[in-house]
Amino acid sequence: EIVMTQSPATLSVSPGERATLSCRASQSVSSNLAWYQQKPGQAPRLLIYGASTRATGIPARFSGSRSGTEFTLTISSLQSEDFAVYYCQQYNNWPPAFGGGTKVEIK
Amino acid sequence: EVQLVESGGGLVQPGGSLRLSCAVSGFTFSSYSMNWVRQAPGKGLEWVSYISSSSSTIYYADSVKGRFTISRDNAKNSLYLQMNSLRAEDTAVYYCARYAYGDPSAYFDLWGRGTLVTVSS
Repeated sequence: EIVMTQSPATLSVSPGERATLSCRASQSVSSNLAWYQQKPGQAPRLLIYGASTRATGIPARFSGSRSGTEFTLTISSLQSEDFAVYYCQQYNNWPPAFGGGTKVEIK
Repeated sequence: EVQLVESGGGLVQPGGSLRLSCAVSGFTFSSYSMNWVRQAPGKGLEWVSYISSSSSTIYYADSVKGRFTISRDNAKNSLYLQMNSLRAEDTAVYYCARYAYGDPSAYFDLWGRGTLVTVSS
């Protein structure tokens, strides 16, 4: 099974600053990688699929990229509503696997 | 409005059973593969089970295989998870989640709000 590792576990960022979140796959997942945002008490929300395609309604400040088995989610200018936990998920192989999450908190 | 609404969670003793339901509206349920994903308190997300649109293909995580059964009723726009022989480690919020397309491994494009299952004596 593929293992997804996210770093850092917690990221402290000031509003308006850039946030860069990382996700590494234990083997190739091609570009079959999704990112989700989860706020306290809420269900996860799809942000990015195909490593870099924004889901419907997701603001342009969210972007995704891939370099081999390393994936990055960038939030270009953090807004107050962006403070949340972010998960990556590979869907290249069964079973689908999530990373452990990165909590983006206010600095 | 497109939505998934879970129900059926609650407090159950170890070894007990529960049946979760997910009511779907706003899209053609019979066209989509569906899943259950869970999240233990303060933990990350764990995929639990998958069912194809016609129920012809079903998969389970090793952690629940032999104890949980996924099913669906396309006429009632509903997804189910029968959970037997429950353990403390099954304590979690259980989410109903739609696959964006039919493959056994895909991304989840729609989620319900979840239902909490607590296994404790």
